[in-house]
Amino acid sequence: AQTVTQSQPEMSVQEAETVTLSCTYDTSESNYYLFWYKQPPSRQMILVIRQEAYKQQNATENRFSVNFQKAAKSFSLKISDSQLGDTAMYFCALNNAGNMLTFGGGTRLMVKP
Amino acid sequence: EAGVAQSPRYKIIEKRQSVAFWCNPISGHATLYWYQQILGQGPKLLIQFQNNGVVDDSQLPKDRFSAERLKGVDSTLKIQPAKLEDSAVYLCASRGLGPTYEQYFGPGTRLTVT
Repeated sequence: AQTVTQSQPEMSVQEAETVTLSCTYDTSESNYYLFWYKQPPSRQMILVIRQEAYKQQNATENRFSVNFQKAAKSFSLKISDSQLGDTAMYFCALNNAGNMLTFGGGTRLMVKP
Repeated sequence: EAGVAQSPRYKIIEKRQSVAFWCNPISGHATLYWYQQILGQGPKLLIQFQNNGVVDDSQLPKDRFSAERLKGVDSTLKIQPAKLEDSAVYLCASRGLGPTYEQYFGPGTRLTVT
């Protein structure tokens, strides 16, 4: 069985500053994908960024980047220049070869003006 | 392209009643998922379809939940009879071909059982 753990239930950050959300996971697979999904208060789940386990280079999407530490099974999300629209629940998720997504419990991020 | 559609968006029922949710995936997506998201938690997979066949339904409470995907496109999820603990948001997602495994989610149906 695979598990995903997000140890920070809530976080807050001032607008324009940087925040890092933590995620650890466990899987016996050697090939897998990791995702960060954003769920704003409207509840539509949106993909923020993905990381392929066999790629050593950390993924980056504009203001969002990850720190993928495969040996430590850690996958953190860094949001730079935080904006009010970044306020949302953030979920870390792990996808194995069976195409099943396992989600963490989520981190509620509040961006303050 | 149009996203994943779900209806209704909200539903309130009394316990022991039945309810059905509908999902229309992104056109051409062969894989469809139903998730249950209890308030304050991450989504939990209930069932996965590949075309019109079930791939995994190990976490579906089969004594009260059922799902079908006739013709490999639209899907319905039914609860009969509903319990108080079924109050949650029910999310539908779909995935196309390709190696990225990205799932696209619908807006969800918020179910309240009183």
